[in-house]
Amino acid sequence: GQNIDQPTEMTATEGAIVQINCTYQTSGFNGLFWYQQHAGEAPTFLSYNVLDGLEEKGRFSSFLSRSKGYSYLLLKELQMKDSASYLCAVPKDSNYQLIWGAGTKLIIKP
Amino acid sequence: DTAVSQTPKYLVTQMGNDKSIKCEQNLGHDTMYWYKQDSKKFLKIMFSYNNKELIINETVPNRFSPKSPDKAHLNLHINSLELGDSAVYFCASSSFGVAEANEQFFGPGTRLTVL
Repeated sequence: GQNIDQPTEMTATEGAIVQINCTYQTSGFNGLFWYQQHAGEAPTFLSYNVLDGLEEKGRFSSFLSRSKGYSYLLLKELQMKDSASYLCAVPKDSNYQLIWGAGTKLIIKP
Repeated sequence: DTAVSQTPKYLVTQMGNDKSIKCEQNLGHDTMYWYKQDSKKFLKIMFSYNNKELIINETVPNRFSPKSPDKAHLNLHINSLELGDSAVYFCASSSFGVAEANEQFFGPGTRLTVL
């Protein structure tokens, strides 16, 4: 079957760095997505990884290891506005339907 | 310009009523989706249409009926609303067929409350 696991909640301090992990099990692999969702709002796209390694995009970076079925989202120089849920998602089979993780709620404290 | 829009944003109704939610995208995408996000914040796919054809129909009660009059619109009609239908319903769209282009763009959501 296909499954995604990520921690339910994490807490970090403003200005610090936090790493949000995601492990997945899929029958095939067509990339991994990270989305951000602020409370009461829609999810918005953050990153997409299909090859192993780190993709950097400003304060946010995303890492993928296909052999380990593992990804992480790294957030640097945390700001209060980064308080949100972060969702990991992978395409299902060949239909490009996304399978979503339950999301990690990130709480930033001053 | 709004990329994916939904109406209404809030919907409060009595059990047993029938209601519709509308969605439109102006991104030129081929594929549109309906998701349900419950109080636990888990995003669950309900339906997906590609060029007006139904391609994903997850285990959803047949009280829910999607309709796609054209590839820019995907509406959701719900009959005989139940308390458990209370949730946020998100419409989304994406290009279809290329993994990287499958970034999904979400509408603002419709918060449905059934009393």
